[in-house]
Amino acid sequence: QVQLQESGPGLVKPSETLSLICTVSGTSISNYYWSWFRQPAGKGPEWIGRIDNSGSTNYNPSLKSRVTMSADTSKNQFSLKMRSVTAADTAVYYCARRTAAGPYNWFDSWGQGTLVIVSS
Amino acid sequence: DIVMTQSPDFLAVSLGERATINCKSSQNVLYRFNNNNYLAWYQQKPGQPPKLLLYWASTRESGVPDRFSGSGSGTDFTLTISSLQAEDVAVYYCQQYYTTPPAFGGGTKVEIK
Repeated sequence: QVQLQESGPGLVKPSETLSLICTVSGTSISNYYWSWFRQPAGKGPEWIGRIDNSGSTNYNPSLKSRVTMSADTSKNQFSLKMRSVTAADTAVYYCARRTAAGPYNWFDSWGQGTLVIVSS
Repeated sequence: DIVMTQSPDFLAVSLGERATINCKSSQNVLYRFNNNNYLAWYQQKPGQPPKLLLYWASTRESGVPDRFSGSGSGTDFTLTISSLQAEDVAVYYCQQYYTTPPAFGGGTKVEIK
């Protein structure tokens, strides 16, 4: 059974960089595509981007200028960095796995999420 | 980008009664070449991540009870809970995966009347 766990600082200052790691167990990250989402309180999830099993990335155009994703296969982890954060980036951040059924962007496994607050 | 709009925002239903949630996409999500609607439904309980319920608009994920069903095509979709149980109290989201970025609706909160 695949498990995902997000980790990282829960408080980030405005203008600084948000950094999160997703640790995957139960499967190799090399076998799937992985995404990051965020969900502000009371809203639906927003897709931030994905990294595929070759390390290629694809980002939401609305966030592309501030986001970088990478993977560390030796640790079975992938990461998110978001630069120049503001209060509008305050949200619960989730990592998730794209279905293995094919090149379709539905998501069948999710981490528990981590709350990131942007505040001085 | 495709925008997903759900209605109603809030729904109170008696135990054992039917709950119906609507989802509308700003563009068609039916792919003609395979006749599939690129639409998924999720359930999210407080403090938990979204849980996949349905994909292809009507195919249940493994382990999802058959009281959950999906219908619709093109731009208009419906999630139906045929007989609401206490454990179904949650927020429900639709999500299109026809184009990138994949996009979720704003959610429908379902409670017991």
